[in-house]
Amino acid sequence: AQTVTQSQPEMSVQEAETVTLSCTYDTSESDYYLFWYKQPPSRQMILVIRQEAYKQQNATENRFSVNFQKAAKSFSLKISDSQLGDAAMYFCAYRAPWGTGANSKLTFGKGITLSVRP
Amino acid sequence: EAQVTQNPRYLITVTGKKLTVTCSQNMNHEYMSWYRQDPGLGLRQIYYSMNVEVTDKGDVPEGYKVSRKEKRNFPLILESPSPNQTSLYFCASSLYEGGEAFFGQGTRLTVV
Repeated sequence: AQTVTQSQPEMSVQEAETVTLSCTYDTSESDYYLFWYKQPPSRQMILVIRQEAYKQQNATENRFSVNFQKAAKSFSLKISDSQLGDAAMYFCAYRAPWGTGANSKLTFGKGITLSVRP
Repeated sequence: EAQVTQNPRYLITVTGKKLTVTCSQNMNHEYMSWYRQDPGLGLRQIYYSMNVEVTDKGDVPEGYKVSRKEKRNFPLILESPSPNQTSLYFCASSLYEGGEAFFGQGTRLTVV
């Protein structure tokens, strides 16, 4: 079974600085998808960034980028120029391809609470 | 606007009183799923559906039922709620394999 591990329950960053959130996963699949979701106090789950395992290039979305290390099964999220609005819980998630016959569910890590200091 | 709509947003009920949480999506997605979120555990899948009349258990299905009679709707049914089902519930849908999951606003359920 796939597992996703976020070992840091909390992190803090100074406004305008850069922070990296760690995530590791375990799978026997060679093709899969990885996501970072943001959950602000409103509880809404917001997709931050997505990475396809077959792509070697790291995904980027404005101030958000990932460091995807397939061999190490690591998928960290880097937030540059941190803003107060980035304060939230962040979840790392894994999804197997539908075509494998497996339930194409999202397997989530336990989440990390990020606080941003003004 | 593309969205997943859950109702109600908040619900307090008593042990044993049947309840239904509705979920509707307007994106014509085949795949829909229910998750529960508990502190320190992240989100865990309860049930999922790959299309109309096709549903199956996720990781934590005990005490829950679902149905998929129409493509857009995927209600979650608790026939006899218990306090250990107090949680934050999310409905999600997606179009294709590996596709982004769109989440509803969440339902905060308290069973006393």
